Amino acid sequence: DTEVTQTPKHLVMGMTNKKSLKCEQHMGHRAMYWYKQKAKKPPELMFVYSYEKLSINESVPSRFSPECPNSSLLNLHLHALQPEDSALYLCASSQVSGGGNQPQHFGDGTRLSIL
Amino acid sequence: GESVGLHLPTLSVQEGDNSIINCAYSNSASDYFIWYKQESGKGPQFIIDIRSNMDKRQGQRVTVLLNKTVKHLSLQIAATQPGDSAVYFCAENGNTGNQFYFGTGTSLTVIP
Repeated sequence: DTEVTQTPKHLVMGMTNKKSLKCEQHMGHRAMYWYKQKAKKPPELMFVYSYEKLSINESVPSRFSPECPNSSLLNLHLHALQPEDSALYLCASSQVSGGGNQPQHFGDGTRLSIL
Repeated sequence: GESVGLHLPTLSVQEGDNSIINCAYSNSASDYFIWYKQESGKGPQFIIDIRSNMDKRQGQRVTVLLNKTVKHLSLQIAATQPGDSAVYFCAENGNTGNQFYFGTGTSLTVIP
């Protein structure tokens, strides 16, 4: 069992749907991350939140909209996705440290399929 | 058995043998490195980390070696077990703050 919980585990949606992915951690971490992982590829960073503020957006299309309502929760709102957006979406958290010297703890991801 | 990471993304070893997984990182400014294990259907799991002021760090059955001169990282797993079968990723921080860049990954298969 991981200390980072992601829901749902699986999601199938059409290109016109709106859905949200959720992530929760109770380790007191103040940095949270969204990654996208395609099959047989490494995770690719999408967004970084530090102290509930968006600090990094890796040029992610606007059809992905992150939200950090509090220090324990991270959401990823999805709208008008494309078939190529089908992937495993991973959430991670870490303690905040200058220079990124703290390990990230990952959830088990949401497997997203776009029809 | 030994892999060369980017060029040989798969590695098969006999149970009980030692495994060596290699990673060539890209940013000479990186000063913190992590090895992750990812099993099928799971997220990456932290194995061991190392900071740039060290060249070796040992954990339980695992050792990470860092060679900053050639920007090379390796993970050694002693007495490899079937439960070690997974994809292993190295990650570097690029010294940019709370960002990690993952290597290509190596798939390890342990043969009973």
